[in-house]
Amino acid sequence: KNEVEQSPQNLTAQEGEFITINCSYSVGISALHWLQQHPGGGIVSLFMLSSGKKKHGRLIATINIQEKHSSLHITASHPRDSAVYICAVATGNQFYFGTGTSLTVIP
Amino acid sequence: DAGVIQSPRHEVTEMGQEVTLRCKPISGHDYLFWYRQTMMRGLELLIYFNNNVPIDDSGMPEDRFSAKMPNASFSTLKIQPSEPRDSAVYFCASSFITRYNEQFFGPGTRLTVL
Repeated sequence: KNEVEQSPQNLTAQEGEFITINCSYSVGISALHWLQQHPGGGIVSLFMLSSGKKKHGRLIATINIQEKHSSLHITASHPRDSAVYICAVATGNQFYFGTGTSLTVIP
Repeated sequence: DAGVIQSPRHEVTEMGQEVTLRCKPISGHDYLFWYRQTMMRGLELLIYFNNNVPIDDSGMPEDRFSAKMPNASFSTLKIQPSEPRDSAVYFCASSFITRYNEQFFGPGTRLTVL
């Protein structure tokens, strides 16, 4: 049983396209994180959400606590956005991770 | 600040050997996390510390794994004895104020056990 489910697993987009990555979870959470893992392996935290919506540049993250669902949107996608995006939820003393969405943006 | 520092970046060892991974968190951060990433299981939380005290180690897979944080600027993850199935990338991360805040990840240590 996976506490966190992401979709899609793989995504290929043309440069400039609007992208949405989805995350659903089955546990009560204190916070939800979106992480970006670069092709070289490094991990960067993009957002921490407990409610509502956050925006950094071309990235937007939303969360619906009642529906146990979060989305990560990328506007005007660019090849440098190519990475694996990982959803993680924090509950109690535990962190549960999705399996990641591999995004490739083609010039 | 230099960010979270991990050493070594790569480690190749033989089955049965002791392996020690090291982490220096960002100064002022009071939470430190150890994660393991494999192709099969993805990212998993192994253990985390708050103010140098281990809070939850339920993710540590076996007694062969141990972690310490003797002071605010240093932590180790030790595997003794190592096995081929321990091969993975081990990440250290730190955060401040609460364990739910943004985490800053180190570059990881790629461990290969032959």
